[in-house]
Amino acid sequence: DIVMTQSPDSLAVSLGERATINCKSSQSVLYSSNNKNYLAWYQRKPGQPPKLLIYWASTRESGVPDRFSGSGSGTDFTLTISSLQAEDVAVYYCQQYYSTPSFGPGTKVDIK
Amino acid sequence: EVQLLESGGGLAQPGGSLRLSCAASGFTFSSYDMTWVRQAPGKGLEWVSVISGSGLITYHADTVKGRFTISRDNSKNTLYLQMNSLRAEDTAVYYCAKGGGPDSSSWYDYWGQGILVTVSP
Repeated sequence: DIVMTQSPDSLAVSLGERATINCKSSQSVLYSSNNKNYLAWYQRKPGQPPKLLIYWASTRESGVPDRFSGSGSGTDFTLTISSLQAEDVAVYYCQQYYSTPSFGPGTKVDIK
Repeated sequence: EVQLLESGGGLAQPGGSLRLSCAASGFTFSSYDMTWVRQAPGKGLEWVSVISGSGLITYHADTVKGRFTISRDNSKNTLYLQMNSLRAEDTAVYYCAKGGGPDSSSWYDYWGQGILVTVSP
C-alpha cells in the first residue's frame, strides 16, 4: 500500500501571504502510460466533509479560487495558497488514487 | 445540485451489524463509482470500499474485507454498506463519496455530511 505523508503538521500564515503544504507518497503515483499523477487535494473545515480542490495533481476543480494551485510529480507534491484568506483556515489533505486509495494525515492552516 | 445523505448509523455492540445507506440526488447515479470513506476519532481518513456504477465491481479495504459489503440500488439512487462482525475499531464517522474520475481509482468530488457509527458494549 502507498503511504502518504504531509508536512508541516500545521502552519500559521498572515492574511495575504503564501501558504505551502507538502505531500509525499511512499512510491510514485505517476502513471507512465498517460503521464498523469494520481493525486488529489482536499480542504476540510470543522464540521464539514472534505471538499475537493485539485485532482491530477494540478487540475483545479470547478469553482475553486485560483489562489489554490497544485504542483509536483512522482512522489513529491505541493499545494500552494498564493494569498491566504480568512476562509482558507482548514485542514488540507492529499490523497493518492494510483492504487488502493490512501490519504495523508492532514495539515492544519491557521491565521498568524 | 448534487446531494449525498447518509443514514443508518448509531450504536452497535461488538459482533453486531449495521447497514448504512446513502441517498444520492442531482446526478445520474448509475454512471458513477461510489465510495465509502471513514474517519475514526483522532485518526485520519481511511478508504473503506468502492463500487462501480453498474454495481458489478467492488473492492474493500483489507481491514473490512469479509465483514463489510458495499452495494447499490440504481433504481433507488442509493448506496449501501452492510457492516457485520463489527469491532470497536470500526467506530468512526462514515462518509459516502462520489467518484469524480473515469474509473474506480479516483478522486471524490462530492461527499455526504457523514454518519457516526459507534461500536461499544
